[in-house]
Amino acid sequence: SQTIHQWPATLVQPVGSPLSLECTVEGTSNPNLYWYRQAAGRGLQLLFYSVGIGQISSEVPQNLSASRPQDRQFILSSKKLLLSDSGFYLCAWSGSGGGQPQHFGDGTRLSIL
Amino acid sequence: GDSVTQMEGPVTLSEEAFLTINCTYTATGYPSLFWYVQYPGEGLQLLLKATKADDKGSNKGFEATYRKETTSFHLEKGSVQVSDSAVYFCALIPSSGAGSYQLTFGKGTKLSVIP
Repeated sequence: SQTIHQWPATLVQPVGSPLSLECTVEGTSNPNLYWYRQAAGRGLQLLFYSVGIGQISSEVPQNLSASRPQDRQFILSSKKLLLSDSGFYLCAWSGSGGGQPQHFGDGTRLSIL
Repeated sequence: GDSVTQMEGPVTLSEEAFLTINCTYTATGYPSLFWYVQYPGEGLQLLLKATKADDKGSNKGFEATYRKETTSFHLEKGSVQVSDSAVYFCALIPSSGAGSYQLTFGKGTKLSVIP
């Protein structure tokens, strides 16, 4: 069966510091991969998605970036964090192609001080 | 663009009560519809899905029917338990086209079940 791993579970970072969140999927090949952000008391916002290695689509302009160095690895990064980057970050995967249900990891709680 | 509207919470029910969480959507064509559940401090879990009109998704005693005529996908459960306390999200995704990689979520409904 397929599993998705996301780490770290919790992260506290100072303003202006860099960020790297990692997500890996097991048990499937060529998945679509996604990064979402869930702000406190608000819904989910799609940040990036990828349909293949090195292919990244950005949905919202921001100071975050994403990379997909391997088929089942998806990384969310920032060079300099802002206070507004605080939130709950969720990685998800789906089968290839559009219109597929997405399956989420356990999330990373990011607090910026 | 596509949108999902679900009833505002929080919803508080006694154990064994009947649950309905309303969800309506606006989309072109025939999107797939989903209910996700989020337990405190955790990610989202896919609860059930329906991919075409009149489909009924079901899982763990929860049900929802894809109603094209009313553009609705209401979540129901006949007898809730304390362990069902969570936030429930209705969502849709287009079946094809440029938007078919993006889930559109409702704002979520927080359910609390008391013994």
